[in-house]
Amino acid sequence: DAGVTQSPTHLIKTRGQQVTLRCSPKSGHDTVSWYQQALGQGPQFIFQYYEEEERQRGNFPDRFSGHQFPNYSSELNVNALLLGDSALYLCASSKDRGLNTEAFFGQGTRLTVV
Amino acid sequence: AQTVTQSQPEMSVQEAETVTLSCTYDTSESDYYLFWYKQPPSRQMILVIRQEAYKQQNATENRFSVNFQKAAKSFSLKISDSQLGDAAMYFCARIQGAQKLVFGQGTRLTINP
Repeated sequence: DAGVTQSPTHLIKTRGQQVTLRCSPKSGHDTVSWYQQALGQGPQFIFQYYEEEERQRGNFPDRFSGHQFPNYSSELNVNALLLGDSALYLCASSKDRGLNTEAFFGQGTRLTVV
Repeated sequence: AQTVTQSQPEMSVQEAETVTLSCTYDTSESDYYLFWYKQPPSRQMILVIRQEAYKQQNATENRFSVNFQKAAKSFSLKISDSQLGDAAMYFCARIQGAQKLVFGQGTRLTINP
């Protein structure tokens, strides 16, 4: 089992550009959540996808959007990049079991906006 | 906002000794789960231990145990017989809603040989 895989591992973009980050969940998992982790901070919830629909959303602007595919993989898109979007973006997958669930994380994508 | 607070930005301990990391949280829910995650330099979050709020017994996983005080909304992590491989950032987290994790700010743990 490959676990949760994210691509790319590192990315450098210019302010104003758009970026797409990708996540493949752990085998058997149907729920994907995305988190933003600024340097020296705890992860902040961006949104969650289940059954190809956005189920929950954190306090992030509409520049952040996502998608989940029928195979449960997911993409995070960020438009009009700002310097403040520089962070580690973590994907977590889980099997929908309400509160009693364990989220497995990928190694993240380090995004640098210059 | 329902928050998770870790008041110790950094902690250090001698190898083989015991260290306790603190966490407090805020919630209006009666049943919930609490977690401790470890994030080594590889960046991948690894679940260390979890506690269900309605269970009185404190969770234990090998050298890791928690002290869960529900009334005080406190959830500390004790690491016994600390090893060099325990060095990492440790995050306390709580489930909110449908599997959304709310994290604390983290505690950087250093193990001194």
